[in-house]
Amino acid sequence: ETGVTQTPRHLVMGMTNKKSLKCEQHLGHNAMYWYKQSAKKPLELMFVYSLEERVENNSVPSRFSPECPNSSHLFLHLHTLQPEDSALYLCASSQMVAGGTDTQYFGPGTRLTVL
Amino acid sequence: KNEVEQSPQNLTAQEGEFITINCSYSVGISALHWLQQHPGGGIVSLFMLSSGKKKHGRLIATINIQEKHSSLHITASHPRDSAVYICAVGRFGNEKLTFGTGTRLTIIP
Repeated sequence: ETGVTQTPRHLVMGMTNKKSLKCEQHLGHNAMYWYKQSAKKPLELMFVYSLEERVENNSVPSRFSPECPNSSHLFLHLHTLQPEDSALYLCASSQMVAGGTDTQYFGPGTRLTVL
Repeated sequence: KNEVEQSPQNLTAQEGEFITINCSYSVGISALHWLQQHPGGGIVSLFMLSSGKKKHGRLIATINIQEKHSSLHITASHPRDSAVYICAVGRFGNEKLTFGTGTRLTIIP
């Protein structure tokens, strides 16, 4: 049990669908992250929320829309995705410390397939 | 060139062998992380270090700040160690981590 949960674990959606990925952390952390992992590529940071404010948006297409209603929950809203968006989407949390961030704790990921 | 390079990309070894995975980086860092990803996707943080050496069970991580290099060692390797090992670096005053492409380790019984 890593303390970070993600739902759903698997998702298949058509290009016209709207769906949401959910992440919840039970560790009392103040920063949360969305990552994308495609085959044979390094983890790509998508969004960072620190103290519930978005502090990083790595040129992610607008068809991905994050939401952080409180420090324990993070959502990724998906709409009109493309097949190349099929990947493993990982959520992580950490505690911001002086000088940077402490260890990041990852959720199990959502395996997304866009048809 | 990636800011974080790992070698080797793939490594296959017999059970019991001593394993070394290397990570080199090209930027100033506040800390270096070693992560383990099992099939199925879940990622576990193994070490976070900014100097010297850390040990946890059969795993040892070292870092040389001057040479911008870190190694992850596994002693008495076991098939359950088979996973992808990922190196990542953090910068001062920044929440972001920059990741290497990972080393896929397979331990054969």
